[in-house]
Amino acid sequence: KAGVTQTPRYLIKTRGQQVTLSCSPISGHRSVSWYQQTPGQGLQFLFEYFSETQRNKGNFPGRFSGRQFSNSRSEMNVSTLELGDSALYLCASSLDIGFFNEQFFGPGTRLTVL
Amino acid sequence: AQKITQTQPGMFVQEKEAVTLDCTYDTSDQSYGLFWYKQPSSGEMIFLIYQGSYDEQNATEGRYSLNFQKARKSANLVISASQLGDSAMYFCAMREDSGSARQLTFGSGTQLTVLP
Repeated sequence: KAGVTQTPRYLIKTRGQQVTLSCSPISGHRSVSWYQQTPGQGLQFLFEYFSETQRNKGNFPGRFSGRQFSNSRSEMNVSTLELGDSALYLCASSLDIGFFNEQFFGPGTRLTVL
Repeated sequence: AQKITQTQPGMFVQEKEAVTLDCTYDTSDQSYGLFWYKQPSSGEMIFLIYQGSYDEQNATEGRYSLNFQKARKSANLVISASQLGDSAMYFCAMREDSGSARQLTFGSGTQLTVLP
């Protein structure tokens, strides 16, 4: 069974641009979560989607948004990029949204904002 | 207050020896789950082990075991017989079962280096 895939793996953008990252969960998984990882702030939760609905959202500005499609694939978008948005963005999928559901992570997208 | 505290930024261990990575947590929930993940330099997070707050036995998974002390709010990871491939960043995480706090909250991590 294929794991979680994220595209692109690496991305370089300039301040003010916008970016869209994609995540394909493991087949059959319906929940997708997004995390931002930076050296300064560590791993921080962005949002979680289940059945095309955002179920949970972390403490990030409105420039960060996401969506989930009917096939469970998810995208996150960051508008008006800032230097501080440079980070590794990790996507994780799980079977459903129940309390214990092991989250399987993808390899991440490394975003650099110049 | 930090929900997950990992006080060891870096640890060294000799190959084939055991090592304990510390994790303390803070929650007022009765129902929660504790997770350990490994992150090699490639960046991917690999799930290692899970302990539920109501589990009476300490979780074990191969060479990994979790030393769960509920009263002390600690969930230390024990790796037995360390291997060179265990060199990585290790994160402790918690998932609470209350309202909007269902996401994984991670600690700052411990960089483990296994020496030959």
